Amino acid sequence: AQSVTQLDSQVPVFEEAPVELRCNYSSSVSVYLFWYVQYPNQGLQLLLKYLSGSTLVESINGFEAEFNKSQTSFHLRKPSVHISDTAEYFCAVSDSSNDYKLSFGAGTTVTVRA
Amino acid sequence: ETGVTQSPTHLIKTRGQQVTLRCSSQSGHNTVSWYQQALGQGPQFIFQYYREEENGRGNFPPRFSGLQFPNYSSELNVNALELDDSALYLCASSFKVDEQFFGPGTRLTVL
Repeated sequence: AQSVTQLDSQVPVFEEAPVELRCNYSSSVSVYLFWYVQYPNQGLQLLLKYLSGSTLVESINGFEAEFNKSQTSFHLRKPSVHISDTAEYFCAVSDSSNDYKLSFGAGTTVTVRA
Repeated sequence: ETGVTQSPTHLIKTRGQQVTLRCSSQSGHNTVSWYQQALGQGPQFIFQYYREEENGRGNFPPRFSGLQFPNYSSELNVNALELDDSALYLCASSFKVDEQFFGPGTRLTVL
């Protein structure tokens, strides 16, 4: 069975500063990896995903994540955050062992201050 | 193209009651998954329906049950509500395994 650990529950950051959200997973087979964002009182929106191929994946709003198989990690980064990036971020994994059902981490709350 | 919709938005019930939550999947999607998100936690997988059949279940008791209809919309039913069932219930629809599209959720409060 797979599991996901998000190492930081809260990350305060100043506007225009960089941010990194850490995610580690455990799985015995090839995985799909995802980052979802949840704004207050809303559902989840897919930020980016890794399925195969290039280990560096990017989103349209400046986030990127790198799949590191040896370290079983999928950390999320953004070089310069905006106030509008304040949200909860969830890392998720799926694999063939449970028919590709999503397993989520506990989430990281990012608060961007001016 | 209409996204995933859920109803109702909010719901308040008392212990022991039963509740039905509804989800309309995105056009073209034949798979619906339900998740429970307790306050301050990540979503937990409840079960999935594919073409009207249950296709996997998480660690939830039998009082959590579901249905999927021919138009691929879905219901989540919870019997004998407990205080710990208070949570945001999320529905997600998909066509392929590599991406699920989430609805806005139903906030259930059990008193």
